Amino acid sequence: DAKTTQPPSMDCAEGRAANLPCNHSTISGNEYVYWYRQIHSQGPQYIIHGLKNNETNEMASLIITEDRKSSTLILPHATLRDTAVYYCIACSQTSYDKVIFGPGTSLSVIP
Amino acid sequence: SAVISQKPSRDICQRGTSLTIQCQVDSQVTMMFWYRQQPGQSLTLIATANQGSEATYESGFVIDKFPISRPNLTFSTLTVSNMSPEDSSIYLCSVEDPTTGELFFGEGSRLTVL
Repeated sequence: DAKTTQPPSMDCAEGRAANLPCNHSTISGNEYVYWYRQIHSQGPQYIIHGLKNNETNEMASLIITEDRKSSTLILPHATLRDTAVYYCIACSQTSYDKVIFGPGTSLSVIP
Repeated sequence: SAVISQKPSRDICQRGTSLTIQCQVDSQVTMMFWYRQQPGQSLTLIATANQGSEATYESGFVIDKFPISRPNLTFSTLTVSNMSPEDSSIYLCSVEDPTTGELFFGEGSRLTVL
């Protein structure tokens, strides 16, 4: 079973912030939270990752709760091209041989 | 970052035949991963391929059905043997950035078995 749980689907209005939650209540101390997205018919694309501090890059922001049991991926100004399945993964930084992809969240950005 | 090329990008095959998927990376990598994505589903890890050693298969996947080669640090192949319609999936090759743990994926090979 996946170590994370996410809502199966979400909608977001174009231009608004998309906030995608992820629960990882069993995350261990050396595990990071990674986010990927998969646009239809393409390979998954890395978005961002973090351990315990909030992170921001050109694509998104990652907010991790203080107890590390959940996190939120924020797309600050969603566009139609952000429509994709978003996967939240909890794993150690250099041990990808046991990465488990859950079903993810299907985000639909609506005009 | 790593750029991954997969061939073929798609194919239609007959039941009982085998198909080999190639994965070429533009840099040397230690670990390569093969995933399967069945229609409408998430990704499932098939196996991990390290250069110079036997691939490590996940539960539910066996070497006879999915033999993997890893002849050097930039290339790997996955063969889907004795195909049935249930093998119709997208097969994805992936590599890891050892510093950040970021995974890079190829565009996938879409296989349809009739």
